[in-house]
Amino acid sequence: TQLLEQSPQFLSIQEGENLTVYCNSSSVFSSLQWYRQEPGEGPVLLVTVVTGGEVKKLKRLTFQFGDARKDSSLHITAAQPGDTGLYLCAGGVNNFNKFYFGSGTKLNVKP
Amino acid sequence: DAGVIQSPRHEVTEMGQEVTLRCKPISGHNSLFWYRQTMMRGLELLIYFNNNVPIDDSGMPEDRFSAKMPNASFSTLKIQPSEPRDSAVYFCASSPVRSGTDTQYFGPGTRLTVL
Repeated sequence: TQLLEQSPQFLSIQEGENLTVYCNSSSVFSSLQWYRQEPGEGPVLLVTVVTGGEVKKLKRLTFQFGDARKDSSLHITAAQPGDTGLYLCAGGVNNFNKFYFGSGTKLNVKP
Repeated sequence: DAGVIQSPRHEVTEMGQEVTLRCKPISGHNSLFWYRQTMMRGLELLIYFNNNVPIDDSGMPEDRFSAKMPNASFSTLKIQPSEPRDSAVYFCASSPVRSGTDTQYFGPGTRLTVL
């Protein structure tokens, strides 16, 4: 059983479209991170959010932490082929950087 | 700067054999994590160390798995004896852990296949 559920599991869209990926849990987290992983490589951190309701923007990517710190969303505007990859959310539970990873959303952006 | 270094990148072995995976964290980082990634279970935390001391090994699946960190620049994950269900990509990650929300830097992973 995954502590964090991500949806959708797979997403295939055309370049220029917008999309939103969701990360949900029944547990409260002290922080929430989003990673992107490309084939044959390890995950790379995109953002960390720590306050309920917090919104962070990274160019065309917008991240939001739910008010109750149980869920998060990642919105990509005008997706590009370079955005293709596996997107993972990770919930932090203590000060030693212990994170539980979500099941992942595999995004494919077609040119 | 060199990132997290893992070796080997690929390992193919037969059931029952001992497997040792190696990791060199980023210099100056005081936390090290071992993860396993499979299609079925996603990315799972196996064990993490802080200042070379194992803090939480609750994710280690069985007694066949063991991990050590003899010094700040080296860690090993050993599987003995290996089984086909251990086939996965194993990642090592390190972090400076200043605030509890610091970045984890992942290595490229070791793809393990147990026949």
